[in-house]
Amino acid sequence: DSGVTQTPKHLITATGQRVTLRCSPRSGDLSVYWYQQSLDQGLQFLIQYYNGEERAKGNILERFSAQQFPDLHSELNLSSLELGDSALYFCASSPEGGFNQPQHFGDGTRLSIL
Amino acid sequence: DQQVKQNSPSLSVQEGRISILNCDYTNSMFDYFLWYKKYPAEGPTFLISISSIKDKNEDGRFTVFLNKSAKHLSLHIVPSQPGDSAVYFCAASENSGGSNYKLTFGKGTLLTVNP
Repeated sequence: DSGVTQTPKHLITATGQRVTLRCSPRSGDLSVYWYQQSLDQGLQFLIQYYNGEERAKGNILERFSAQQFPDLHSELNLSSLELGDSALYFCASSPEGGFNQPQHFGDGTRLSIL
Repeated sequence: DQQVKQNSPSLSVQEGRISILNCDYTNSMFDYFLWYKKYPAEGPTFLISISSIKDKNEDGRFTVFLNKSAKHLSLHIVPSQPGDSAVYFCAASENSGGSNYKLTFGKGTLLTVNP
């Protein structure tokens, strides 16, 4: 058990819809990272928040946004969903903000777009 | 443009023997490298890391070697155990300015350790 909790585990929705994925980091971790894993692209870094502030951006589409709340949990919002957004979305956390330290991953949210 | 490549999608090894997983990268600005292991239906788990100023790091059965001139790193598992069967991801970190970092993953290698 990594201590990182992601909900829901599975999400099925239709094109054009909007969904919110939730992540609770490990106790004490200030940084939250979001990743997308699709079949053909592997694990892609989307965005990082550190103590409520956006810290780094990766390959995140404009239709996607995230935020980190005062209690340090984070939400990833995906809107105007397309078939290609079907993927496994992982959240990870770490105590500090650098990428040169181990991250602890949740078990992911599987998003299926019909 | 794939900056971190794991050219072997799969590897099969006998229990007790050495497993060698390879990773190549193209970006010379990468300064930290990590290996993660992933079981089905679970998130990746951190295994071992190495800074670009070192060429070897060891932790129990796991050793990572870094060859900066060849832009190549490898993960050695000795001895391999059936519980090591998983997908292994290589990742590389780059400080792209100030407090901004990027982390790039390879596509993974499926290791199967046969009893």
